[in-house]
Amino acid sequence: SAVISQKPSRDICQRGTSLTIQCQVDSQVTMMFWYRQQPGQSLTLIATANQGSEATYESGFVIDKFPISRPNLTFSTLTVSNMSPEDSSIYLCSVAKLNTEAFFGQGTRLTVV
Amino acid sequence: AQKVTQAQTEISVVEKEDVTLDCVYETRDTTYYLFWYKQPPSGELVFLIRRNSFDEQNEISGRYSWNFQKSTSSFNFTITASQVVDSAVYFCALSEAQRGGNQFYFGTGTSLTVIP
Repeated sequence: SAVISQKPSRDICQRGTSLTIQCQVDSQVTMMFWYRQQPGQSLTLIATANQGSEATYESGFVIDKFPISRPNLTFSTLTVSNMSPEDSSIYLCSVAKLNTEAFFGQGTRLTVV
Repeated sequence: AQKVTQAQTEISVVEKEDVTLDCVYETRDTTYYLFWYKQPPSGELVFLIRRNSFDEQNEISGRYSWNFQKSTSSFNFTITASQVVDSAVYFCALSEAQRGGNQFYFGTGTSLTVIP
């Protein structure tokens, strides 16, 4: 199993500002994933963060809007840049070792006003 | 194309009734994995079960049971004698070995309300 700590758990931000979400895992993992869950919706993968290389973004998500850092095998950050109300969502960090279940952080509930 | 379809958006049942949540998936991989997660109102995602594509045996865990049928690409989840604590959103998910088995595709979720 993996224990994932995600900070902050929630935040209310002004439009036009940026928020950085931190994700700490209690064990070393090669791949970390960032998901967005818009209100009442399913989880959508934003990007895959590999240690030592650039993150891989899914269609509809770009690095300028969601820059990701992966400085080591236990930590990653996701920044939501130049926020608008449409960015109000839950953002989830996840790890999944090969062919096992995915483990999720508690999520960051972001409200942009 | 949607890889995981959960056609039931919302379901309400009276406590102690049985309820089945449907999940249909789509993949070209011969090796893949299916999952169910529970998301209670607090928001965290709770892992319930993992099934690989080579294991079609149905599984029972207490009041929970899962019916995996490759012929119909379905992985349905039944809660027997439902309880109020079962109220949550339930997500079905798929991971494909071809893509490393780490990336998950989630269905749109089924919101279950158990009425006391």
